[in-house]
Amino acid sequence: DTEVTQTPKHLVMGMTNKKSLKCEQHMGHRAMYWYKQKAKKPPELMFVYSYEKLSINESVPSRFSPECPNSSLLNLHLHALQPEDSALYLCASSQGLQGGDEQFFGPGTRLTVL
Amino acid sequence: AQSVAQPEDQVNVAEGNPLTVKCTYSVSGNPYLFWYVQYPNRGLQFLLKYITGDNLVKGSYGFEAEFNKSQTSFHLKKPSALVSDSALYFCAVRDMYNTDKLIFGTGTRLQVFP
Repeated sequence: DTEVTQTPKHLVMGMTNKKSLKCEQHMGHRAMYWYKQKAKKPPELMFVYSYEKLSINESVPSRFSPECPNSSLLNLHLHALQPEDSALYLCASSQGLQGGDEQFFGPGTRLTVL
Repeated sequence: AQSVAQPEDQVNVAEGNPLTVKCTYSVSGNPYLFWYVQYPNRGLQFLLKYITGDNLVKGSYGFEAEFNKSQTSFHLKKPSALVSDSALYFCAVRDMYNTDKLIFGTGTRLQVFP
């Protein structure tokens, strides 16, 4: 299995809602990533987990809370989001053993905050 | 500062003609370079990478890229473009100080006309 899966594909939420995005990979990758992407822009790194531990937090607001329950799963918990948080949220994974490993991306979750 | 530049927002090419999507980089030391493609409402797909070795790298879907150290470039090429190649292309370089991070260019939209 060489896929990264993400659910849901689309999510609409109000500013007071709590929701979660889910990501799964079964490639035995040790690094998993969350990115945020605005239309026609490059992905912006949010978080990196390495061996299930948070290794990078790119100064992301606390209304975004990542979680890595095990080596195959990555969640992004959302609470009290703002309309400007509407974007495509991408999950990725990589072997991460060497700097030259490519990242495998999921199809993304299209988030709309009303 | 480390950076990647994609000088063209859009490249237009007729089907069957060769295509080039330009990328230049600025990093200290030996770069790890990547090309990704993104189709509408999809995640990024890995095309190819340069780590070391031959300057001409072959990748998926008939794409190739040439690493030129003296010009600090890593241009993406294909001998004969297809309409289905129309997509958004991102060049990226590995962050030399944190190998879990990719530094992306701003992206180039490739439009292949029938």
